[in-house]
Amino acid sequence: EADIYQTPRYLVIGTGKKITLECSQTMGHDKMYWYQQDPGMELHLIHYSYGVNSTEKGDLSSESTVSRIRTEHFPLTLESARPSHTSQYLCASSDKEGYGQYFGPGTRLTVT
Amino acid sequence: AQSVSQHNHHVILSEAASLELGCNYSYGGTVNLFWYVQYPGQHLQLLLKYFSGDPLVKGIKGFEAEFIKSKFSFNLRKPSVQWSDTAEYFCAVEGSQGNLIFGKGTKLSVKP
Repeated sequence: EADIYQTPRYLVIGTGKKITLECSQTMGHDKMYWYQQDPGMELHLIHYSYGVNSTEKGDLSSESTVSRIRTEHFPLTLESARPSHTSQYLCASSDKEGYGQYFGPGTRLTVT
Repeated sequence: AQSVSQHNHHVILSEAASLELGCNYSYGGTVNLFWYVQYPGQHLQLLLKYFSGDPLVKGIKGFEAEFIKSKFSFNLRKPSVQWSDTAEYFCAVEGSQGNLIFGKGTKLSVKP
């Protein structure tokens, strides 16, 4: 079944730890996105990719990095987590402009 | 920069009441517009989309939206809401990078 997966769903970690949030999609979509969502606020684009070996930063400044070695996989890494990184991170993919994006269930990250 | 405004933060309705959620966008050119819904504990799902043609678009679960170019609006409507429509609703416009630019969302609570 075509879908988009994110792991872990919930994560609580201490300051200074390195973490990687996983995102995988089985739809063969070239375009993938990472958004950050805080309660009561808009989703903000932090990274996007148009295909393998293509990554760009989004509108919201982020200390995270991403990689796109395989079409289906778009992990996001925080080298040194801080409390300001506490948020929900949503991964999405799409194949064509104008057709909308498919979203994963999100990872809710808490940095203590 | 493109932006999206959703006028209502929280709407409370009784079952069978009619619903209209406001959405205005800032960009004056050709736009692709979307409504997403997020049910409690679930991921964002596409409700409906507009990218050309008939300005009145119909989505899933009896929802529809009307694109009014002169008003930069894309309001979501449903003639008769149900308790199961309780969710958060997000309006979005497609950005230049193929990403989605979201409004802050409207929480809908439907009382049985």
